[in-house]
Amino acid sequence: DADVTQTPRNRITKTGKRIMLECSQTKGHDRMYWYRQDPGLGLRLIYYSFDVKDINKGEISDGYSVSRQAQAKFSLSLESAIPNQTALYFCATSDLRQGSTDTQYFGPGTRLTVL
Amino acid sequence: GNSVTQMEGPVTLSEEAFLTINCTYTATGYPSLFWYVQYPGEGLQLLLKATKADDKGSNKGFEATYRKETTSFHLEKGSVQVSDSAVYFCALSEDSGAGSYQLTFGKGTKLSVIP
Repeated sequence: DADVTQTPRNRITKTGKRIMLECSQTKGHDRMYWYRQDPGLGLRLIYYSFDVKDINKGEISDGYSVSRQAQAKFSLSLESAIPNQTALYFCATSDLRQGSTDTQYFGPGTRLTVL
Repeated sequence: GNSVTQMEGPVTLSEEAFLTINCTYTATGYPSLFWYVQYPGEGLQLLLKATKADDKGSNKGFEATYRKETTSFHLEKGSVQVSDSAVYFCALSEDSGAGSYQLTFGKGTKLSVIP
């Protein structure tokens, strides 16, 4: 079984709809992250969480919210989806104890299309 | 702020050719450096990393040396295979305060290897 899983893998929705993307991990890591990937722009950080009570905004948090329901679960919500949120979304985890090496482990991604 | 610049793609090589993907970085301190690889339809996987000057990361025939004097971390492989076709991301991690390490990614370089 994969260590970092994301659901759904693909989603098509309409402008204005509320969407939730879910991430679960079995690695026992404290830290979890949400990124979006756009062609030619690489990965940009949306939100990150260092533990259940610690949520932080990343580079591009506007239009998104997150919930850390448990150490193993981190959800990303789009309250009112818009077409420029069409992208590939990745969840990642890392181990607090790694410190500066901060190797992150990525899920398989969710392809979201907003019409 | 931190930034990573890598050569633009796409890069197309014949099988067994030599590969170099250039990566330079800007950081305020002393970051750790990474190369991640994304195979088609998959999430990112750590390929190699280096945490201090003159360290050489290596994996699967790929190598990169942390050059502090030139702020570079170029990826090389002596003989590429068709299975190396993927998108390669250079990244750095640095403490942004209170043990908060975040990855900053380059925009990615797509490599296609033809038989």
